[in-house]
Amino acid sequence: SQQGEEDPQALSIQEGENATMNCSYKTSINNLQWYRQNSGRGLVHLILIRSNEREKHSGRLRVTLDTSKKSSSLLITASRAADTASYFCATRGNQFYFGTGTSLTVIP
Amino acid sequence: DGGITQSPKYLFRKEGQNVTLSCEQNLNHDAMYWYRQDPGQGLRLIYYSQIVNDFQKGDIAEGYSVSREKKESFPLTVTSAQKNPTAFYLCASSPGEGNYGYTFGSGTRLTVV
Repeated sequence: SQQGEEDPQALSIQEGENATMNCSYKTSINNLQWYRQNSGRGLVHLILIRSNEREKHSGRLRVTLDTSKKSSSLLITASRAADTASYFCATRGNQFYFGTGTSLTVIP
Repeated sequence: DGGITQSPKYLFRKEGQNVTLSCEQNLNHDAMYWYRQDPGQGLRLIYYSQIVNDFQKGDIAEGYSVSREKKESFPLTVTSAQKNPTAFYLCASSPGEGNYGYTFGSGTRLTVV
């Protein structure tokens, strides 16, 4: 069974705006990871946040983790057309599960 | 440069045939994984291997087989027993379990004709 679920399924924004994607999961985790996938390509690891961390930054990316709500969010600030891709969360507990992804379109 | 190489990028198979997808990594990673991706369903784990000469079934192993004779290589065979093999197949590796991200190959798109 899938562990993580992203919300929304699809998101369309103007270049320069911020994009926020959410991930909910069901059981306890050791870490949560976010990946990006361009159409027809492999996934690229963006950021990992451990279960004892609440927030992490990497460039224009900001990830938060709320273990009490079993949820995480990925914020991309000042979006660019090149950010257009699908974004997946993945949770590491006893096993490693990927969510179904959020499709982000950034309009130039 | 270190990375994972999947080949071929596109593969066409006739019904009833077995096909083997290649996955090679030069990252010195212990663990390797095969995922299947269908539209709207995210990634589903087929098989994984944490060490040479050992591998475990994932959530959808039926109709697939793997081997791990070398640390660098983890080929996936899609057998004729797989009822719906048309999909995008992704290979990944990581240093091991724990707080590590996965490195993915660029994928193989398999189409049954």
